[in-house]
Amino acid sequence: GAGVSQTPSNKVTEKGKYVELRCDPISGHTALYWYRQSLGQGPEFLIYFQGTGAADDSGLPNDRFFAVRPEGSVSTLKIQRTERGDSAVYLCASSLREKAGGTGELFFGEGSRLTVL
Amino acid sequence: AQKVTQAQTEISVVEKEDVTLDCVYETRDTTYYLFWYKQPPSGELVFLIRRNSFDEQNEISGRYSWNFQKSTSSFNFTITASQVVDSAVYFCALRGNSGTYKYIFGTGTRLKVLA
Repeated sequence: GAGVSQTPSNKVTEKGKYVELRCDPISGHTALYWYRQSLGQGPEFLIYFQGTGAADDSGLPNDRFFAVRPEGSVSTLKIQRTERGDSAVYLCASSLREKAGGTGELFFGEGSRLTVL
Repeated sequence: AQKVTQAQTEISVVEKEDVTLDCVYETRDTTYYLFWYKQPPSGELVFLIRRNSFDEQNEISGRYSWNFQKSTSSFNFTITASQVVDSAVYFCALRGNSGTYKYIFGTGTRLKVLA
């Protein structure tokens, strides 16, 4: 597709369950970012990939959160043993490249709204 | 550490008024990039502008203009003759150029334009 695609758009789960959120970036974009946005807040950085490798995962809140991008395209954010505090909109963004001297603006998907009951 | 501060939580204006959204940033990088994004009620963040740290020239795009001042670490956004369709949450963001290329976002300013 033309834009960043995220699935599911909405996910309701019970506390303690495992959740996977998927992001399909714009074709050809090598950098992929995950953010979390709580109500009334700005996007909070979680992790970004340059190609297949996680270039910076400093924003992951704890070891229940994990993300992969095995082929350098689609990425999956995985949350284990979900807690009510994990409820938020999870945003994915991609850009053409991220390196010193190079900037591509981020193109965002519509987000996956996660509700943990 | 990098930080973006948007002190204005919410602003309400009447249509056709001008409005300025403030953004103050902190970074130790000598080269960095500043952005503004718009998040309408539909939720998807839309890119508005990118500014390099070495280019302090102000920019105008239609009713939108941006004032970048390194001396005060500010990158303010002005909407002239606001319209109801401008109602949204606006985010300022910063990306450094050393070590990591993560984007740091402010907490956003909710703009309400009343008819």
